[in-house]
Amino acid sequence: KAGVTQTPRYLIKTRGQQVTLSCSPISGHRSVSWYQQTPGQGLQFLFEYFSETQRNKGNFPGRFSGRQFSNSRSEMNVSTLELGDSALYLCASLRGSDTGELFFGEGSRLTVL
Amino acid sequence: KQEVTQIPAALSVPEGENLVLNCSFTDSAIYNLQWFRQDPGKGLTSLLLIQSSQREQTSGRLNASLDKSSGRSTLYIAASQPGDSATYLCAVIGIKAAGNKLTFGGGTRVLVKP
Repeated sequence: KAGVTQTPRYLIKTRGQQVTLSCSPISGHRSVSWYQQTPGQGLQFLFEYFSETQRNKGNFPGRFSGRQFSNSRSEMNVSTLELGDSALYLCASLRGSDTGELFFGEGSRLTVL
Repeated sequence: KQEVTQIPAALSVPEGENLVLNCSFTDSAIYNLQWFRQDPGKGLTSLLLIQSSQREQTSGRLNASLDKSSGRSTLYIAASQPGDSATYLCAVIGIKAAGNKLTFGGGTRVLVKP
């Protein structure tokens, strides 16, 4: 059974550019959430999607956005990149709408120069 | 606001010694608590999930306990091996939070010396 797949694994961007990251959840999982991990702030919640609807949102500026498609795949977008956006972006999936065990992907490592 | 703390931030033990990792949280109104392992540059691997109604969970050499009233969880790893070297993170889902928002601790970096 395939796990959570995130693409791309690594990318380098410059300030002011935008980036789109993709997450394919485990087959049958309908909830996808995104986290940012940095050495200084640790793991912070970005947002969660369930059935194409954003269900919860963390305390990040509007430059961070996301969406979920009908096949449960999700994308997150960061516009007008800043140096501080350099981080490991992790995606997690959950089977249903209730709470339960979350499974994470390997992450997308973003470096902003 | 839920806060999760893991002390110590780093731990070094000789191979074969039992590991005891601590996690504390400020709001006892949680759905569940989950322990993860993270290797350098990698994603998170789920180790154990403890529902709020449970007191402990076991998987192989791993045992996690939960004391909701005191806001504490402990992860025990028996007979540590060098392959257990990693960062261990605990996270909770609070009842007051919508959806499945995990609040993470800062992690404990473990080194098991051969």
